[in-house]
This record gives sequence, structure tokens and C-alpha cells, in this order.
Amino acid sequence: QKEVEQNSGPLSVPEGAIASLNCTYSDRVSQSFFWYRQYSGKSPELIMSIYSNGDKEDGRFTAQLNKASQYVSLLIRDSQPSDSATYLCADGSSNTGKLIFGQGTTLQVKP
Amino acid sequence: DGGITQSPKYLFRKEGQNVTLSCEQNLNHDAMYWYRQDPGQGLRLIYYSQIVNDFQKGDIAEGYSVSREKKESFPLTVTSAQKNPTAFYLCASSIWDSQETQYFGPGTRLLVL
Repeated sequence: QKEVEQNSGPLSVPEGAIASLNCTYSDRVSQSFFWYRQYSGKSPELIMSIYSNGDKEDGRFTAQLNKASQYVSLLIRDSQPSDSATYLCADGSSNTGKLIFGQGTTLQVKP
Repeated sequence: DGGITQSPKYLFRKEGQNVTLSCEQNLNHDAMYWYRQDPGQGLRLIYYSQIVNDFQKGDIAEGYSVSREKKESFPLTVTSAQKNPTAFYLCASSIWDSQETQYFGPGTRLLVL
């Protein structure tokens, strides 16, 4: 059974700090990874996708992928109270088109 | 506007009743998915469909049924066999490829009376 693991949190950071969200996955051949943000009572929305080892930056967000360690992370710079949400990591399970989700990490950004 | 719509937003089910959740997309996506989310949990795959008239069971298909008669539509029926149906149900769609992003509808919250 393929798995994605996340620390459920909550992760609490002060406004303006860097928030670091982490995710590990079990499938060694997985090729694609996605970070979704989900506000309470709402549906997930895509923040970042990453397919290659290394870093990918988009505004205040940076996704990092290390396939050797089977580790994905999301860094949020200059965290804002509006970033307070649950962040879901997903593994684009190889060759099936399905996503395998972690349980999500709740982020709280305190003013 | 392109997107995914789900209806109703809230749905109440009585004991022994089958209920159907609607999902429609106008993104011209081939693949559609149904997920269930319980409080404090991630998303679990119920059913998915790659093309019209074909669908596959996900990880928790028992007590659910689907159909895919049109590319745009993928309704989910929660049958009376599903003993614990209270959850947030999310529909998603994508181009069929493991590299492609799934986009989600607004969700339906199902409650048992």
C-alpha cells in the first residue's frame, strides 16, 4: 500500500516567518508531487506541483523534492495570517493517474 | 467560466435511503474522481473514471456506486449499504496522466438524519 505521511500539526509560526511543511512518501518510483491548500470547510486548491529533484519557486512558495530520501517539502516565506489552512501533500502515483494524499498539516500563522 | 460544479452543497440522508451527489465539469477533462474526506483526515479515493462508460474502484468503494454516461458528468450514489456516510465529498477532474493536476469542485457535505 503506497503511503504519504505528514505531521498533522498544528504548526504555529509568527507572521513574517518562514513556515516549513514536510512530507514523506513510500513509492520509490513516484514521479510527480503536488501541494494543495485547503481552508476550513472548503475544497483543496493547488499551490505547487514538482516533478524534478531540487527546488521550484513560485512567489512566496518554494517546493523541494529529494527523490533519494523520498521527501517533499513546502516553504512559505513571509507567512501571512491568510496562509492559515491545512496543506495537503499528494503523490501522483506512477503510471496510474491517481493521487495519494497525506492527512494534511494544519498551519496557524499568528499576527 | 470553466470549472467543476457539485450539487447540492449540503445533503441529508435518512436511514435506508440512497442519495445521489452531482458532479459536472466543463474543462473537457477525460478523467474524473470522487473522494471522501472525514474530519482531520486526508482524501480517500472512492471511484475514478478515465473515459466515458468506464470506471474503477478506488480504496473505499464499498457502499457507493457511480456512472459515467457523459464526459462532463460523474454522479456518485451513496447507497444504504454505506453505514457511515457522514463526510465531505469532493469531485475532481484532470487530463488522464500522472503528471497532470487534479482540480476540485466545491464539495458536498453529507449528513445523516
